[in-house]
Amino acid sequence: EAEVAQSPRYKITEKSQAVAFWCDPISGHATLYWYRQILGQGPELLVQFQDESVVDDSQLPKDRFSAERLKGVDSTLKIQPAELGDSAMYLCASSLATNEKLFFGSGTQLSVL
Amino acid sequence: KQEVTQIPAALSVPEGENLVLNCSFTDSAIYNLQWFRQDPGKGLTSLLLIQSSQREQTSGRLNASLDKSSGRSTLYIAASQPGDSATYLCAVSDDYKLSFGAGTTVTVRA
Repeated sequence: EAEVAQSPRYKITEKSQAVAFWCDPISGHATLYWYRQILGQGPELLVQFQDESVVDDSQLPKDRFSAERLKGVDSTLKIQPAELGDSAMYLCASSLATNEKLFFGSGTQLSVL
Repeated sequence: KQEVTQIPAALSVPEGENLVLNCSFTDSAIYNLQWFRQDPGKGLTSLLLIQSSQREQTSGRLNASLDKSSGRSTLYIAASQPGDSATYLCAVSDDYKLSFGAGTTVTVRA
């Protein structure tokens, strides 16, 4: 069965460093999401793409976070500089279209020291 | 703003008992509702998706009901097994945005 690929699986970094996460959605999925999940809470949407266009980035801290989905396929989420409060699980998900069933990747567990 | 609540936050049951998980939401103008399972340190796996026009959806031992007017959904898991131990999250879609609850962590004791 097709899966959403994410890398790295774990990332440990120091405060003020730059980090980047990569996501490859299921082939043919037009909608791609980046979520942040803090332990014990539900995922919070950071950014949503429809093909290569941003649909919603209202909760993305744009002073330090950036996201792109060039060519409407894979996507990269970057944090620069990382802060202690950024420690969380970063999840990528994709769907055929908006409001369709979501498929999640395994996530990237980020620890900022 | 849509608020999604799942109570209780955790529950523990003996193997074989039926599980009943609750999800409530504040705005009934939803497009659909999804139930997910999450194992520790992993991503989410979609279990069931109920369209707003549906009352329930079934898959194997899982059955999810939706009462849009009262803002509630219930996930039933029949004859629970230790392998059902996980966190179960519901998510509500209104227009294009998905709002998640914090989840209910289930432990099934052998």
